[in-house]
Amino acid sequence: AQTIHQWPVAEIKAVGSPLSLGCTIKGKSSPNLYWYWQATGGTLQQLFYSITVGQVESVVQLNLSASRPKDDQFILSTEKLLLSHSGFYLCAWKDNTLYFGAGTRLSVL
Amino acid sequence: GDQVEQSPSALSLHEGTGSALRCNFTTTMRAVQWFRKNSRGSLINLFYLASGTKENGRLKSAFDSKERYSTLHIRDAQLEDSGTYFCAAEFNMGYKLTFGTGTSLLVDP
Repeated sequence: AQTIHQWPVAEIKAVGSPLSLGCTIKGKSSPNLYWYWQATGGTLQQLFYSITVGQVESVVQLNLSASRPKDDQFILSTEKLLLSHSGFYLCAWKDNTLYFGAGTRLSVL
Repeated sequence: GDQVEQSPSALSLHEGTGSALRCNFTTTMRAVQWFRKNSRGSLINLFYLASGTKENGRLKSAFDSKERYSTLHIRDAQLEDSGTYFCAAEFNMGYKLTFGTGTSLLVDP
């Protein structure tokens, strides 16, 4: 069975500080991977997707970047956080159906 | 742009009754998925449809790509059905999914 793990569960960070969120998928070879973000009270927005190692496509520009260093790993990062980055980040993999991780709640202060 | 209009935004049902949620699409979509938000804020997949209807217990979903809409029917609503439900539409090209704004369902005794 496939499992998806996100880390950390929650983060409180200062404006201007760096951020790295991680996501791993086990039990699925070459998964299509996604990063989503939801601001408090907002709609879930697709940020990035990746269909293979080393390839990442941006969907929405939020001064964030993503990388796929391994087949089973997807990383979301920025060097300088903004207040507007606060929210709930979800990683997902897809094989027709979209399967989400448990999410990371980020508060930028 | 391509949009997903979900309605109603909020719905209140008495236990044992039923109703339907609806998503309208501004363009032809390849597939639709329905999700329910869990207690932590992540999304659990309910249905994936490329066409037609699917049923699972007291839930039933339909997707008409030509008429550009999908529905989620809940019958015999139970208290534990309370929560937030989302549709997400998959475009014909590419890897983008667009989410609706969600329906907050409250089932009361």
